[in-house]
Amino acid sequence: SAVISQKPSRDICQRGTSLTIQCQVDSQVTMMFWYRQQPGQSLTLIATANQGSEATYESGFVIDKFPISRPNLTFSTLTVSNMSPEDSSIYLCSAMTGAGEQFFGPGTRLTVL
Amino acid sequence: QQPVQSPQAVILREGEDAVINCSSSKALYSVHWYRQKHGEAPVFLMILLKGGEQKGHDKISASFNEKKQQSSLYLTASQLSYSGTYFCGTEIKGQGGKLIFGQGTELSVKP
Repeated sequence: SAVISQKPSRDICQRGTSLTIQCQVDSQVTMMFWYRQQPGQSLTLIATANQGSEATYESGFVIDKFPISRPNLTFSTLTVSNMSPEDSSIYLCSAMTGAGEQFFGPGTRLTVL
Repeated sequence: QQPVQSPQAVILREGEDAVINCSSSKALYSVHWYRQKHGEAPVFLMILLKGGEQKGHDKISASFNEKKQQSSLYLTASQLSYSGTYFCGTEIKGQGGKLIFGQGTELSVKP
């Protein structure tokens, strides 16, 4: 298994600002992903965080809005840029082990005013 | 592309059984099952990789029919702690670990 921590756990931000969310895994993992979840809804994949190269984004998500870094096998960041109230959501990172299992971090609850 | 889960919601009494189904229109490499309680992150239950594979975890088990692109989660002798929303996450062949999640099944276990 993998234990994942995220910082911050929650934040309230002003429109037009940016927030960077950090994700730390307690062991080396093969893949890391970023998801978004609206309250009461399912999880939507934002992007795959690739170690040492540009992230791979899903349809509807772009690098300028959600830049992602993954400098090593245990750490990744997601930045939500130029925020609007529509970006209010829970952002979760996940990590996939060598066995193919994916574990989620506790999430970051973002509110944009 | 999003898998379809059924039922959308189910209410049980303690000790009763339930089955949650997950169906995809795409060829699947694996199916992952999670339980999420309100205000918490999804908790990994199990992964199914091979066609026809069945797995068990305490009184929770699952099957995966690769040919039909379907998976089912079986909860037997339900406990109050089983309450939550269950999600299946499907990995399409060749997609490198990316999971597409179903809409969720809300399970409530009453005393």
